[in-house]
Amino acid sequence: QKEVEQNSGPLSVPEGAIASLNCTYSDRVSQSFFWYRQYSGKSPELIMSIYSNGDKEDGRFTAQLNKASQYVSLLIRDSQPSDSATYLCAVNQAGTALIFGKGTTLSVSS
Amino acid sequence: ETGVTQTPRHLVMGMTNKKSLKCEQHLGHNAMYWYKQSAKKPLELMFVYNFKEQTENNSVPSRFSPECPNSSHLFLHLHTLQPEDSALYLCASSQDRTVQETQYFGPGTRLLVL
Repeated sequence: QKEVEQNSGPLSVPEGAIASLNCTYSDRVSQSFFWYRQYSGKSPELIMSIYSNGDKEDGRFTAQLNKASQYVSLLIRDSQPSDSATYLCAVNQAGTALIFGKGTTLSVSS
Repeated sequence: ETGVTQTPRHLVMGMTNKKSLKCEQHLGHNAMYWYKQSAKKPLELMFVYNFKEQTENNSVPSRFSPECPNSSHLFLHLHTLQPEDSALYLCASSQDRTVQETQYFGPGTRLLVL
């Protein structure tokens, strides 16, 4: 059974701090990794995708992938109240469907 | 959200009703998906269509019946549902089924089965 694990939270950080969201996956041959953000009552929207080991930066967001440890993370710098949402980690390999984690709820206080 | 649209946005139905959910994508994609999202559970993949052909049925009960008449439209026909089927039903699309393909989600249909 392929699994994607996330701490459900809530993760609470003050405005301006760095939020660190973590995800582990069980299928060692996974090839693609995605972070989606989902506001309450809304559908998921893609934040970042990463396919190779290392860091990938996009504005205030940095995704980090370590395939040896089967670990992917999302860092949000200068967190804003508008970042408060549930963050979903998703993983897949060739020819298979995305496997989603349950999500981590982030709360940024002003 | 205008790339993938879903109707209705909210639906209340009895266990003996028959209803259909509609999804339309305006992105020129070839793959479409139905997901179920229940409280405190991960997104669950239900069905996958690629170039109008169903490629995955994730052990979904027969009371859910998908239909994909073309690459832009996807339906989910519902009949004799149970209260535990109440959830957010999300449609998504992607260019195709390659491993790096990003999926784009519609706004979802919030379903309540009484």
